[in-house]
Amino acid sequence: SQTIHQWPATLVQPVGSPLSLECTVEGTSNPNLYWYRQAAGRGLQLLFYSVGIGQISSEVPQNLSASRPQDRQFILSSKKLLLSDSGFYLCAWLRGEANTGELFFGEGSRLTVL
Amino acid sequence: GQSLEQPSEVTAVEGAIVQINCTYQTSGFYGLSWYQQHDGGAPTFLSYNALDGLEETGRFSSFLSRSDSYGYLLLQELQMKDSASYFCAVRGGGNKLTFGTGTQLKVEL
Repeated sequence: SQTIHQWPATLVQPVGSPLSLECTVEGTSNPNLYWYRQAAGRGLQLLFYSVGIGQISSEVPQNLSASRPQDRQFILSSKKLLLSDSGFYLCAWLRGEANTGELFFGEGSRLTVL
Repeated sequence: GQSLEQPSEVTAVEGAIVQINCTYQTSGFYGLSWYQQHDGGAPTFLSYNALDGLEETGRFSSFLSRSDSYGYLLLQELQMKDSASYFCAVRGGGNKLTFGTGTQLKVEL
């Protein structure tokens, strides 16, 4: 079966500390992967997306970065967190071979920067 | 760039029908999706329209007009559990998916 996992689920970090969120997909190969951020009560902001290993598209200039070291692994990182980085981070993959708009989301990682 | 607009909030009574509209401006367009998100949870996929017309899935239907850059989600026989946020999303070139600002639906007795 196809599944997506991301961790950690919750974290509280001080300003200026590093960040690493990990997402893995199982049951599929060469998936299109995405990182979104959602501030409280707001919409989903596309941060990065990847169509293959080592291929990263960045949508918003910021102090975050993404990497895709393996086919089914997508990592979101920061060297120094800002207060504005607080939010709900969601990893997703695009299901289906043909033209589809079905994103399947992980459980999310809730980040609070203090 | 891409932008999508939705009403911020809609209120309806249980058993009623509600329509959530989405207008978009995009440099590339392959289709329009709809997602539901309950408080504290991740979004879940509801429907996808690549072609003009109405797609029906149970109580939910989704419509797309590519010429008008417009779509809507129609929810029938509203239930309390339908209270959630609803997002439209455009699939653009390069498999980029951009979300709208979301519509909070409140279903009342």
